[in-house]
Amino acid sequence: DGGITQSPKYLFRKEGQNVTLSCEQNLNHDAMYWYRQDPGQGLRLIYYSQIVNDFQKGDIAEGYSVSREKKESFPLTVTSAQKNPTAFYLCASNPLAGGATDTQYFGPGTRLTVL
Amino acid sequence: AQSVAQPEDQVNVAEGNPLTVKCTYSVSGNPYLFWYVQYPNRGLQFLLKYITGDNLVKGSYGFEAEFNKSQTSFHLKKPSALVSDSALYFCAVRDGSSASKIIFGSGTRLSIRP
Repeated sequence: DGGITQSPKYLFRKEGQNVTLSCEQNLNHDAMYWYRQDPGQGLRLIYYSQIVNDFQKGDIAEGYSVSREKKESFPLTVTSAQKNPTAFYLCASNPLAGGATDTQYFGPGTRLTVL
Repeated sequence: AQSVAQPEDQVNVAEGNPLTVKCTYSVSGNPYLFWYVQYPNRGLQFLLKYITGDNLVKGSYGFEAEFNKSQTSFHLKKPSALVSDSALYFCAVRDGSSASKIIFGSGTRLSIRP
C-alpha cells in the first residue's frame, strides 16, 4: 500500500460519539484525499487537500471534518452529525497538486462500525 | 461533468480464458483514465493508466487496457485469467480542467473459477 498508513484498521463507535481516523504518508505527496466506500457504490470523495492548511469539500462532506496541519498527515473526524457512518474509509495521495496525470496511491483503509 | 460507468457488477470467467472488464467514460476535455484493483479489506492498487499516445496500455500482473476515443471506452483485458485475479476492479477518470478530482466507477467484481 505504498507509504500510506491508516489507523486503526477496525474501529467501533457508539452512536453520538465523534471519532478520528488517522492517515499518514511518507511519500512527500502534496495532495491527499479521503474516500468512503459502500458496497455497490464505488468510492465517494469526502474531502481533499492540495496544500498544507487548505482543504476542499468533496461530494459527501456533511458530517465530516478534516485538518491538514502537516504535509504528511490528513486526519478525518467522523462527527455525530454523520447519519450513517458505518463504511470502509480510504485515504489516498498523489505527488503533484493539480496534476491530472498523477496516479493516486491508497492506504489500506479503516473499517468503521457504529454500534 | 465527468463520469465513468462500469456496466457489469460481476464478471465470471474460467481460469485460462481471456477476460474483459468494461468501462465507459464522459469528460469535457482530454480524458486521463485509470484502472485499480482491490482485494478484500485492502486499499486500491494501481494497475495502469492512459494519458496520451498508444491506445493499448500495458500494466501490472499482465493486464492491459484499450483506449477507444470514438466509443469513449477503456476496457480492461487479460489474455489468460488466473484464479488470483479474482478481486474488485475500479475504472477512474480525470479531465484536465479539474485535475485534482478523480471520479471512480462503481466497481466490477471479477470471479475466476478454477
